[in-house]
Amino acid sequence: ETGVTQSPTHLIKTRGQQVTLRCSSQSGHNTVSWYQQALGQGPQFIFQYYREEENGRGNFPPRFSGLQFPNYSSELNVNALELDDSALYLCASSSNFQETQYFGPGTRLLVL
Amino acid sequence: GENVEQHPSTLSVQEGDSAVIKCTYSDSASNYFPWYKQELGKRPQLIIDIRSNVGEKKDQRIAVTLNKTAKHFSLHITETQPEDSAVYFCAASTEGNTPLVFGKGTRLSVIA
Repeated sequence: ETGVTQSPTHLIKTRGQQVTLRCSSQSGHNTVSWYQQALGQGPQFIFQYYREEENGRGNFPPRFSGLQFPNYSSELNVNALELDDSALYLCASSSNFQETQYFGPGTRLLVL
Repeated sequence: GENVEQHPSTLSVQEGDSAVIKCTYSDSASNYFPWYKQELGKRPQLIIDIRSNVGEKKDQRIAVTLNKTAKHFSLHITETQPEDSAVYFCAASTEGNTPLVFGKGTRLSVIA
């Protein structure tokens, strides 16, 4: 098992609400990437944080935002939730943005 | 941007037989190709990766081959066991520059 942790494990929200997901990176890792995994699909890149700065963003709208803290943990915020936001949200940490990524267990979000 | 195609989407093999999963990628600049195994309800787990300066890499029953000219790479699992049953994802990236782009996954079932 990796040292990457995520909270909460499960979450149920309604359309229009806001949600914050959290990720603690593995010790010694300074880069966190966030992915959305819809049912039956591969993970899709949302964005990456390297040393507290955004270091790349995928094809997701601005209502998906994030930040990284000095201890390299990270948050993913999603505003104005839509039904299609229902998915498993994974974070992955690495020692530098070019190194191998290790995934956390994910947060399963259900939007009703 | 990068596009990764993965085949087959499902694969059933008898215990002890070999399994092969193939992926193609579109961006010739990609130089890092990891494979992840995801069991039901669990995090993607890195099982092997290869960089473009090598053509093949082995780790016990698992091997990955890379053909940069044809832009495809494959995962080979020999002497399959029931615990190999899972969804396998291939991915590609340009280390230090682009995020991981995943294939859609292959559901492998090993029949005892």
